[in-house]
Amino acid sequence: SQQGEEDPQALSIQEGENATMNCSYKTSINNLQWYRQNSGRGLVHLILIRSNEREKHSGRLRVTLDTSKKSSSLLITASRAADTASYFCATVKRKTDSWGKLQFGAGTQVVVTP
Amino acid sequence: EAGVVQSPRYKIIEKKQPVAFWCNPISGHNTLYWYRQNLGQGPELLIRYENEEAVDDSQLPKDRFSAERLKGVDSTLKIQPAELGDSAVYLCASSLQSMNSPLHFGNGTRLTVT
Repeated sequence: SQQGEEDPQALSIQEGENATMNCSYKTSINNLQWYRQNSGRGLVHLILIRSNEREKHSGRLRVTLDTSKKSSSLLITASRAADTASYFCATVKRKTDSWGKLQFGAGTQVVVTP
Repeated sequence: EAGVVQSPRYKIIEKKQPVAFWCNPISGHNTLYWYRQNLGQGPELLIRYENEEAVDDSQLPKDRFSAERLKGVDSTLKIQPAELGDSAVYLCASSLQSMNSPLHFGNGTRLTVT
C-alpha cells in the first residue's frame, strides 16, 4: 500500500510559472522526501524534510510540512522545460519497525511547455 | 561518484520463462533496495538489505521471486517463472544506513512479459 498521495495527478504549466503539488499521508512520520523522475530514468532525490521542520528550500524548490494536517507541498518557482518530470513524495514512518521503509505516492506528472 | 548501476536496461521474455536483474550499488552504501514500479504508479518496495541480510522482504512474492546480495555489495533479483503481471520497471536503490539518508536509484530494468 502507498502511504503518500500526491495532488494533482497531472499539472501542465508554461515556462516561468510556478508549479505547486501536494502530498498527503496517513501515519506519523520521521521524515518526508521528494523525488523527481524523468521519463525512462530512475528517481532522483530532491529534498528531505524532517518531522520537526516546517519549511525547507533548495534552489528553486520550496517544501513545506504540516504534521497536524499530515500534508506537504512542493513548490517549483520559475519553472523550466527541464523541470518536466514526475514528482513523488515518500515518507518514512515514525515506528521503529518500519525503519528504512520509504513508501512512495503515485506521483504528480508535471509538463512545462516553452 | 559512480551511481547505482543496473542491467539489463530492457528485457522481453515469454511467460513462464526465468529472468534475472543485476544491481551494483554506490560504493559504501550498505543498504540496498529493490522496488517495482508499474506504469503511472510510484515504486513499491520488494526487498531491503542491510549488508547481506534481507531485513524487509514482506512484499516479495516468495513463490516466484528470489533475491540475493552476496558479500554485501552486488545484488540479483530473479523471477521464475515470470507471469504477464510481472511486466514493470524494476528499480534498485542504495543508501547509507540512516533513516535520514536519501535513496540513490539506478535507471531500472524495464521487463515486458509476453
